[in-house]
Amino acid sequence: GAGVSQSPSNKVTEKGKDVELRCDPISGHTALYWYRQSLGQGLEFLIYFQGNSAPDKSGLPSDRFSAERTGGSVSTLTIQRTQQEDSAVYLCASSRRGSGGNEQFFGPGTRLTVL
Amino acid sequence: GQNIDQPTEMTATEGAIVQINCTYQTSGFNGLFWYQQHAGEAPTFLSYNVLDGLEEKGRFSSFLSRSKGYSYLLLKELQMKDSASYLCAAYSGGSYIPTFGRGTSLIVHP
Repeated sequence: GAGVSQSPSNKVTEKGKDVELRCDPISGHTALYWYRQSLGQGLEFLIYFQGNSAPDKSGLPSDRFSAERTGGSVSTLTIQRTQQEDSAVYLCASSRRGSGGNEQFFGPGTRLTVL
Repeated sequence: GQNIDQPTEMTATEGAIVQINCTYQTSGFNGLFWYQQHAGEAPTFLSYNVLDGLEEKGRFSSFLSRSKGYSYLLLKELQMKDSASYLCAAYSGGSYIPTFGRGTSLIVHP
């Protein structure tokens, strides 16, 4: 019964570099969310996957951000040409289904620092 | 769209009771969650309300009034470990994406 895992836990990169963040959801959870949390801020929705359906990308802040979910399980969030304003904690969450009433289980997050 | 409002910060004394309020404006409503987030950690589930009324779970209770677009989280017999951020999140009708408030930072002092 492992929970949601994310890697790396910390990532320091230079401005302009690409980064990949990984999320392993709880087995059997069909819904997967990516959020961004800046210091002292709430959770900013980025992207949502439900099973094999097309993802809801409405929260992605720019075309530098993209995400994939392979085989309905592991997800990768990619940020190209990173900027200093991308520095934040990136949280992944999964739930049994994506509808209201299903609690989200969060991973420990990846703290991204762009120098 | 949705709007979630909750106080930024609250302080309380160990052993006391504290109420954290959350108001929301949504196009339709499909449930409200409260999560607890300790500094540097991931949010963890506390409660879920979809019908009006009070849901009690040990020292924590959550209340919902759909007509008023209002919820509160009630923490009793406060302990130092309750110092954390408390996030309110609401689902609008038909949406699979919750909107989170900015969180209320609760500081419990001796």
